[in-house]
Amino acid sequence: DAGVIQSPRHEVTEMGQEVTLRCKPISGHNSLFWYRQTMMRGLELLIYFNNNVPIDDSGMPEDRFSAKMPNASFSTLKIQPSEPRDSAVYFCASTPRGRGLAGGNEQFFGPGTRLTVL
Amino acid sequence: AQSVSQHNHHVILSEAASLELGCNYSYGGTVNLFWYVQYPGQHLQLLLKYFSGDPLVKGIKGFEAEFIKSKFSFNLRKPSVQWSDTAEYFCAVNAGGFKTIFGAGTRLFVKA
Repeated sequence: DAGVIQSPRHEVTEMGQEVTLRCKPISGHNSLFWYRQTMMRGLELLIYFNNNVPIDDSGMPEDRFSAKMPNASFSTLKIQPSEPRDSAVYFCASTPRGRGLAGGNEQFFGPGTRLTVL
Repeated sequence: AQSVSQHNHHVILSEAASLELGCNYSYGGTVNLFWYVQYPGQHLQLLLKYFSGDPLVKGIKGFEAEFIKSKFSFNLRKPSVQWSDTAEYFCAVNAGGFKTIFGAGTRLFVKA
């Protein structure tokens, strides 16, 4: 089975440009998470969805960040306009329908998108 | 609010040394517990997990972790580390919601 797919793997853009990161979760998984990882701040949860519905976006740093999940197999994270401090690795992860504790299963991470904003 | 604390930010060991990475969480109820590993330049991968049953959990590559409920701890261990274990290790806790809380990570460097 293909794992979580993210594109692009690397993105270099200039400050002020719009950036769109894409994620395809594992088929059958019903929760999707977007994380940002930097040396300074470590792994930060930005937003997560369950059954395509955003559940908690409190981790989204600013209004410049937005995320959508139009269907069960696709999600986007958009930054508009981008700034140099947005440079980071952005991970998408998905989780299958939970057993035991509701929704408490392991997360499957994608390979990440390394974003550099000049 | 739930939180996860990893005691060591950086650990340096020589090959064949024993490893123990500490993890404590703050939540009084039932939890699912995880250790993830991130090799240099790669994404997080599951190392092992605890949902219920035997509190001593064995994972891949010779790692194990012990859940001690009274101490709210889930420490990761390996009897003899290898150079290839150089990576960052994350402890994570899920308390029944959709959200899993990750610790800050521990960077392990194993000297050959």
